[in-house]
Amino acid sequence: SQTIHQWPATLVQPVGSPLSLECTVEGTSNPNLYWYRQAAGRGLQLLFYSVGIGQISSEVPQNLSASRPQDRQFILSSKKLLLSDSGFYLCACKTGSNYGYTFGSGTRLTVV
Amino acid sequence: TQLLEQSPQFLSIQEGENLTVYCNSSSVFSSLQWYRQEPGEGPVLLVTVVTGGEVKKLKRLTFQFGDARKDSSLHITAAQPGDTGLYLCAGAKSSSGSARQLTFGSGTQLTVLP
Repeated sequence: SQTIHQWPATLVQPVGSPLSLECTVEGTSNPNLYWYRQAAGRGLQLLFYSVGIGQISSEVPQNLSASRPQDRQFILSSKKLLLSDSGFYLCACKTGSNYGYTFGSGTRLTVV
Repeated sequence: TQLLEQSPQFLSIQEGENLTVYCNSSSVFSSLQWYRQEPGEGPVLLVTVVTGGEVKKLKRLTFQFGDARKDSSLHITAAQPGDTGLYLCAGAKSSSGSARQLTFGSGTQLTVLP
């Protein structure tokens, strides 16, 4: 079964600073990859998804961008963070005909 | 617009009690999943239901998909403190080949007191 690695687990960044969150997947190839953001104790909002290297779809307009430089690597970035970018960011993957998503352990981002 | 509404939003019960969590929508889903999430962790898949009227059991947890595939319920029998967590339902509206699949509900925060 696949495993997702996300880092860092927590991050405190000043407003206006850049951001780079990385997600890597093990145990599978050619996965669909997703970035979600979650408000405290609430549901997940889909930010970006990717079906292959270099292919990114954005779900909501925002201050963030995503890239997929390798098959099992997904990166979430920002050039200048806003206070509203604070939240819990989750990477997920889906493979083949499996219905379920596998999630990473998340990154808690606080913009100060 | 929230496509999947979960109720209740918060639930606090004593160990040994039974409970039911609901996930409702006006949309039809091809499949529906339930996840449990603990603080500081990602959601973990509990079950997937794909057929209208389907019932699945996972130990003390019983999941049901509505006949019209618009709603689902999760029933926990004799709740234990280890059941504490955020329960999320998620619906898929297209075939498994589609990348943009899941819509998540707003979540139910369950606390089981010893």
